[in-house]
Amino acid sequence: DSGVTQTPKHLITATGQRVTLRCSPRSGDLSVYWYQQSLDQGLQFLIQYYNGEERAKGNILERFSAQQFPDLHSELNLSSLELGDSALYFCASSPSATGGNEQFFGPGTRLTVL
Amino acid sequence: AQSVAQPEDQVNVAEGNPLTVKCTYSVSGNPYLFWYVQYPNRGLQFLLKYITGDNLVKGSYGFEAEFNKSQTSFHLKKPSALVSDSALYFCAVRSNQGGKLIFGQGTELSVKP
Repeated sequence: DSGVTQTPKHLITATGQRVTLRCSPRSGDLSVYWYQQSLDQGLQFLIQYYNGEERAKGNILERFSAQQFPDLHSELNLSSLELGDSALYFCASSPSATGGNEQFFGPGTRLTVL
Repeated sequence: AQSVAQPEDQVNVAEGNPLTVKCTYSVSGNPYLFWYVQYPNRGLQFLLKYITGDNLVKGSYGFEAEFNKSQTSFHLKKPSALVSDSALYFCAVRSNQGGKLIFGQGTELSVKP
């Protein structure tokens, strides 16, 4: 158990809908990262937050947004969903924003868009 | 641009034999390198990392990795493979623009009895 929790585990929804994925980092970790894993794109970085502030952005679509709350949990919001958004979404956390600390990954949320 | 390559989609080894999963990287400056393992329907588990110091890094479950700066490689190794080592392995480099990880495409390791 990495100490990172993600809910829900599975999400099945329809095209055009909006969903929210939730992540709680390890105790003491200030940095949260979101990654998307799909068969064709592999593991892709989406966005990073550090202590409530957006720190770095990857290839995140404009339909996607995220935030980190004062208690350090984070939410990833996906809207106007398309079939191609079906993927495994991982959250990871680390103590700092940069440096050599490893990131600890949650179990992921599997999103299926029908 | 920073990148990681895992040249083998799949590696097959017999139980008890040594295993190597290859990784090469491209990054400016000193790299921070990581190996993660993913079992089916699970998240990524951290195995080991290279930050600085000794080129041979030891990690979890008997795995080790050798950092080679001249060949820009960071191959994962284990002296004696177990069937339970069968999983998907990812090599990653930490970006020097923020802390994101840049992953290779993954290598499926299959260990047969």
